[in-house]
Amino acid sequence: AQRVTQPEKLLSVFKGAPVELKCNYSYSGSPELFWYVQYSRQRLQLLLRHISRESIKGFTADLNKGETSFHLKKPFAQEEDSAMYYCALGSGYSTLTFGKGTMLLVSP
Amino acid sequence: DARVTQTPRHKVTEMGQEVTMRCQPILGHNTVFWYRQTMMQGLELLAYFRNRAPLDDSGMPKDRFSAEMPDATLATLKIQPSEPRDSAVYFCASGSRLQGGTEAFFGQGTRLTVV
Repeated sequence: AQRVTQPEKLLSVFKGAPVELKCNYSYSGSPELFWYVQYSRQRLQLLLRHISRESIKGFTADLNKGETSFHLKKPFAQEEDSAMYYCALGSGYSTLTFGKGTMLLVSP
Repeated sequence: DARVTQTPRHKVTEMGQEVTMRCQPILGHNTVFWYRQTMMQGLELLAYFRNRAPLDDSGMPKDRFSAEMPDATLATLKIQPSEPRDSAVYFCASGSRLQGGTEAFFGQGTRLTVV
């Protein structure tokens, strides 16, 4: 069974501080990991996927198979980063399983 | 700019009434998901279609919920009879299989309130 755990419901930081949103997964096969973001009153949208190894809006995430983690990081948080962040797991033709989400609040 | 379209955006109904939510996936996408979002549970998968065939609806209460894809341009989620605990935001998403996994494109959701 697939499972995604985001241990923090809320993460509050000051502008300019580093941010790390944690995500751990459970899956016996080869995982495909994603981060989705939902800004206030907007639809969920893909932020990044592990296979791309890209940086979007200053965010990066590295898949660590040994620790079964896919933490989202940004060195300097901005106020516009305040949003709900969801980690998601999919593989092959299986479904897409989401964690419960972490609300990131960046204060001035 | 292709987008997933959901209707209605908001729905308030009385307990016991039937509710139908509609979704128009992005043209060419062969995968459709229905998710329910609540504060307590986050995003829960209700149903999942590929090429219009239901592959997984184990997250859906079968006695009152039903999901269908009458054609490739329409997915529906029905609740009959509705109950107050069904109050949530219901998201539809569509996607297609790409290298690196299925990227899901979400609609704006239907906010359902059952009183």
